[in-house]
Amino acid sequence: AQKVTQAQTEISVVEKEDVTLDCVYETRDTTYYLFWYKQPPSGELVFLIRRNSFDEQNEISGRYSWNFQKSTSSFNFTITASQVVDSAVYFCALSEQGGSEKLVFGKGTKLTVNP
Amino acid sequence: KAGVTQTPRYLIKTRGQQVTLSCSPISGHRSVSWYQQTPGQGLQFLFEYFSETQRNKGNFPGRFSGRQFSNSRSEMNVSTLELGDSALYLCASSLAPSGGRNEQFFGPGTRLTVL
Repeated sequence: AQKVTQAQTEISVVEKEDVTLDCVYETRDTTYYLFWYKQPPSGELVFLIRRNSFDEQNEISGRYSWNFQKSTSSFNFTITASQVVDSAVYFCALSEQGGSEKLVFGKGTKLTVNP
Repeated sequence: KAGVTQTPRYLIKTRGQQVTLSCSPISGHRSVSWYQQTPGQGLQFLFEYFSETQRNKGNFPGRFSGRQFSNSRSEMNVSTLELGDSALYLCASSLAPSGGRNEQFFGPGTRLTVL
C-alpha cells in the first residue's frame, strides 16, 4: 500500500530563516508522481510542484527548492529566507498507479513563520 | 479562466440529515475527485469521476455517494449525517485521468459542520 509520512507536525521559525519540510513515501510502483501542496488558512490547496519517479533532478523555484532522492524514498522541500506569507500547512502527496487521479497525502506540516 | 468552484462554502446540518455538495471543475476539465479533510484523519480520497463514471472510490461507507453530470460538474451526497462527517470537503479537477501527469486544481472546499 502507498503511504506518505511527514514526521514534522508543526515547525515554527523566525522570518528569514531557512526551513526544510521532510517527506518520506512508500510505494511498490516503479512509475509514480510526487507532489507538494500548500494550504493557507483559506483552505484551498495550492499546487507547488510535481515530480515523476524518473526525474531525480533537484528543482529550484525562487525561494523554494525540492530534493528528490529515490534511494531514501524522500522528497524534501526547503524554503530559503522564509517569510510570514509562507505560513501555511504543507502537504506532500503521492499519485496512485493505474491512471487514477487519486492522491495519497501525508498528514501535513504546519509552518509558522514569525516576524 | 475560472478556477474550481464549490458550493456552498459553509454548511451546518444536524445528525441524521443528508447533504449535497456541488463542484464545478475548470472549463475543459473532465476529471473530478473529492477528498475529505479532518484534523484526525487528514486528507482522504473519497471518489473520482470521469465522463460521468466513477473510476475509483476510497474507503468510506455507503452513506457517501457521488455523481458526475454530462457537463463534468459533480455532486457528492452524504446521507444520515454523523458527527464525524464534520469536515472540509475538497474537490479537485484535471483534464483527464493520468496517474499524476496532469495537474490537479483544488477548489476552496465546503466546510460541513454536523451538530
